[in-house]
Amino acid sequence: DAKTTQPNSMESNEEEPVHLPCNHSTISGTDYIHWYRQLPSQGPEYVIHGLTSNVNNRMASLAIAEDRKSSTLILHRATLRDAAVYYCILRVPVNQAGTALIFGKGTTLSVSS
Amino acid sequence: GAVVSQHPSRVICKSGTSVKIECRSLDFQATTMFWYRQFPKQSLMLMATSNEGSKATYEQGVEKDKFLINHASLTLSTLTVTSAHPEDSSFYICSARKGGPFNEQFFGPGTRLTVL
Repeated sequence: DAKTTQPNSMESNEEEPVHLPCNHSTISGTDYIHWYRQLPSQGPEYVIHGLTSNVNNRMASLAIAEDRKSSTLILHRATLRDAAVYYCILRVPVNQAGTALIFGKGTTLSVSS
Repeated sequence: GAVVSQHPSRVICKSGTSVKIECRSLDFQATTMFWYRQFPKQSLMLMATSNEGSKATYEQGVEKDKFLINHASLTLSTLTVTSAHPEDSSFYICSARKGGPFNEQFFGPGTRLTVL
């Protein structure tokens, strides 16, 4: 149970901003929102995370809705290297081992030159 | 960010043999490590969680006798695929969680296993 909903795919042009949406309507008050991305044949790469306030780092920005039931990952100027599958993830309990990141299907971002 | 390595990056083996994949956290101690599997065109699926010095906890549907996990130290976990079959061919990815208030989780580059 991934607990998040994302569009299957999105397209963008180089140098343009990209807004990747994510719905997480069942989020609890203490759940962080994590974003990872995965390039072909590579392990997932951390992008950004947030709890309530909007967050910025060198890779992206994360805008979190006031009710926290949705968020948007913003790539300010897409490059060809940003073409990847982007995952929006909430950490969930797993067995007796605590919590883990459970991946949904993610959004496949295509970037055209 | 922290670095997680995996070895080997790719392996080809014959059906019936066993394959060991190593996962190391290079610059931090990982109290918890995770193993995921990813089939082509699909997302990552959590296989098991291991805590250093304890038995691994396997997700439903994952055979613990087939996928042996050892987490002998705070920087090393191994996954052994025993008596591998072609249907075990997949991309295996480990992840290590760093302690602290956020419990950041970092991923290795993955190991491509092909069973002939």
